[in-house]
Order: sequence, then structure tokens, then C-alpha cells
Amino acid sequence: EPEVTQTPSHQVTQMGQEVILRCVPISNHLYFYWYRQILGQKVEFLVSFYNNEISEKSEIFDDQFSVERPDGSNFTLKIRSTKLEDSAMYFCASNGNTIYFGEGSWLTVV
Amino acid sequence: LAKTTQPISMDSYEGQEVNITCSHNNIATNDYITWYQQFPSQGPRFIIQGYKTKVTNEVASLFIPADRKSSTLSLPRVSLSDTAVYYCLVGDMIGGSSNTGKLIFGQGTTLQVKP
Repeated sequence: EPEVTQTPSHQVTQMGQEVILRCVPISNHLYFYWYRQILGQKVEFLVSFYNNEISEKSEIFDDQFSVERPDGSNFTLKIRSTKLEDSAMYFCASNGNTIYFGEGSWLTVV
Repeated sequence: LAKTTQPISMDSYEGQEVNITCSHNNIATNDYITWYQQFPSQGPRFIIQGYKTKVTNEVASLFIPADRKSSTLSLPRVSLSDTAVYYCLVGDMIGGSSNTGKLIFGQGTTLQVKP
């Protein structure tokens, strides 16, 4: 099965710090996404990215969040100033007619 | 995006066939039906995807009636390791300038397989 890889698998950060979560989507896929899942809750859509720009974002994806694809392979999610409520599992996904998810990055904000 | 409705939970025993039915009354012409499996602290794992009739792969079958307003995921001979949350999702997978191909997750069906 095709694989989306994410790093780090787990990160603990202090409130107010910047965090960058990294993803390597499946090669030749053109659509990329970030989702998050707070412990015990539903998987929530954050943002979709196509042709080097955001194509859609949810209410959760406010000015503290940004995404980029700096080198044509990595796809990153940056949280500028983390809050306690940003603690969640963050999933990257890529779409080449089927959407595949990575294993996630656990973010714990303390 | 079409909303889906599926049972919150199901119980089964090892070796049994499990069928999970999902309703998606507002499915659009371009929408595909995709099922994912999720274990705790892991990402959703693709199981199967279809547009109409029946699709089968090495782990599951997907039955879609002609009106496409529902679908049934069939897991043959489940084992304890199939205990997980199963999500039915509907969306235009192709994406494009007017459709991002995003998926909206519901609560899913928690399948508990007992020995």
C-alpha cells in the first residue's frame, strides 16, 4: 500500500512555541491535506493544498496555522504559537484518486 | 459534501462475517464511497473504495445498490485484530479547482470483536 510518512511521531512543546510538523506525501499525488484528531473526538479537516496553494481551509485553520511545500516533496504544517487546545494527533493525507493518511504526529502542548 | 450515517457500535465474534451499513442519501453524482479503519493513536487506514455495484479486495467487499444511497462494508471472518473504528466517507476523490476532495469524518462505527 502507498505510504504517507510523517515526522515527528510525537512532540511535546511549551505553550507559545512554534511547531512544524512534516509530511512526505505519496509521489505523483497532487492534493494534500492536514487533519487533526483531539483525543476521543472525531477526525477534523484542517486544510487542503493543491498547486502550491491552499484550496480550502476550515474554521480551525486560523492565522496561527500555515502550510507549505518548500521543496516539492515535503509538506509542512506550522503552528506559530501553540495553545493547550492544539494538543492533538495531526494527520497528513495525500490524494491521487484515493486519499491515504499518514500515521500521525502526536502534539502535546504543556 | 454528503453526510453519512452509520451505527455507532457493533459487536461480533471471531470468525464471523461482519456487515456495516452506511446511509448517504445525499450522495452526488461524482462522489465515491470510501471506507477507512482506524486503530487508537493511528491514522485512518484505507480499506476499500467504490462507485457502484460491488468491489472486492483482499480484505473486504463493498456493496453499493443501484441508487447509491447506502453502502455495506463486508469483512469476512473477522479476528480480534479487526477491533477498530470504521468510517464510511463520501466525496469527490478527484479534487480539482472547484472541489478539494476533502473528507468529512463522522463518529464512525466502533467494531468490537470478541473471542
